[in-house]
Amino acid sequence: AQSVSQHNHHVILSEAASLELGCNYSYGGTVNLFWYVQYPGQHLQLLLKYFSGDPLVKGIKGFEAEFIKSKFSFNLRKPSVQWSDTAEYFCAVSTLNNAGNMLTFGGGTRLMVKP
Amino acid sequence: ETGVTQSPTHLIKTRGQQVTLRCSSQSGHNTVSWYQQALGQGPQFIFQYYREEENGRGNFPPRFSGLQFPNYSSELNVNALELDDSALYLCASSLAGSSLYEQYFGPGTRLTVT
Repeated sequence: AQSVSQHNHHVILSEAASLELGCNYSYGGTVNLFWYVQYPGQHLQLLLKYFSGDPLVKGIKGFEAEFIKSKFSFNLRKPSVQWSDTAEYFCAVSTLNNAGNMLTFGGGTRLMVKP
Repeated sequence: ETGVTQSPTHLIKTRGQQVTLRCSSQSGHNTVSWYQQALGQGPQFIFQYYREEENGRGNFPPRFSGLQFPNYSSELNVNALELDDSALYLCASSLAGSSLYEQYFGPGTRLTVT
């Protein structure tokens, strides 16, 4: 069975600080990796995804993530956070079947950015 | 393009009762997945429906069941409700056969069991 660990449950940063959220997964096979964000009162939205190719993936709103296979990690980064980045962030891995992804999520990291 | 919609928004039920939650998939999508998100936790996969059949299931008991209709909308049914079933239930739709397999989530139904 696959599992996902997000090490930081709560992170508080000041605007313009750099962000790195950790994500480690356990799964022996080929993985597809995702970061989702949930802004207050809004739906889960996809930030970025990794399926194959370049392990450095760029997403929306200046976010990027690096897939390091040897470390089973897919950490999320942003060089300079804004107050509007306050949200909960979820890392997820998927098992792919003929119809689509079945996602296994981590427990989430709640980010608060102070203005 | 219409996004994923879910109804109702909120629901309060008593232990032992049954509940039905509904989901309309995004226009053009043919696969629906359901997730349970308990307070303070990440979503947990319940099951997925494709071509009106269950296409995969997470670690949930049989009292969690579902349907998918010819228009790709879906229902989640939970029988014999327990207090631990209190959670946000999320529906996500996607397009089978797409190389992206990206899932689009609805706003969720918050179920409270008392």
